[in-house]
Amino acid sequence: GAVVSQHPSWVICKSGTSVKIECRSLDFQATTMFWYRQFPKQSLMLMATSNEGSKATYEQGVEKDKFLINHASLTLSTLTVTSAHPEDSSFYICSARANPAAYEQYFGPGTRLTVT
Amino acid sequence: AQTVTQSQPEMSVQEAETVTLSCTYDTSENNYYLFWYKQPPSRQMILVIRQEAYKQQNATENRFSVNFQKAAKSFSLKISDSQLGDTAMYFCAFTSSGTYKYIFGTGTRLKVLA
Repeated sequence: GAVVSQHPSWVICKSGTSVKIECRSLDFQATTMFWYRQFPKQSLMLMATSNEGSKATYEQGVEKDKFLINHASLTLSTLTVTSAHPEDSSFYICSARANPAAYEQYFGPGTRLTVT
Repeated sequence: AQTVTQSQPEMSVQEAETVTLSCTYDTSENNYYLFWYKQPPSRQMILVIRQEAYKQQNATENRFSVNFQKAAKSFSLKISDSQLGDTAMYFCAFTSSGTYKYIFGTGTRLKVLA
């Protein structure tokens, strides 16, 4: 149980275009989802927290207009990288909490974004 | 603010030997959880072990165990009988009931040698 999927697993896009990454909880309802960014050989950096039906809360230094997060249902959150640039190339990971009282997060397999 | 520190960027261990990865944290919270996650080359985050702060007993999961020293704010991971498949990046993580956000350490790259 507690499986989180991400789609796509790998995407290449041209500079200036937008790309959407989906995060789904497959066998549970996720009241809260988190989006992380990970550069090579570095730790996970939290970008934002999203709660179903409300606006995402962004961490300091993360551009909310560039990284649009939508949590439209209890099983789906999306991250859209708008007007992507090569410096946005990274590994993006989502995670989800199964219930409001739970501490543990379940992680998706990640999405590798390359902007050319 | 809470912080998590992993002071060993890289470690290696011979197969079948035991290795300990260190993690220290800083918090003023009383109710919190600590985790060790493994990230193999596939980059999928895999939960290794969790520890509730209110529990005095150290958590164990098969070959993995922790040494949780609450007063010292230390949370080390011991891997016994190391296997080649244990080669991965290991992250220590902290979360509390305040925000439920994870705070990760910088990670320790473990290599198990045949």
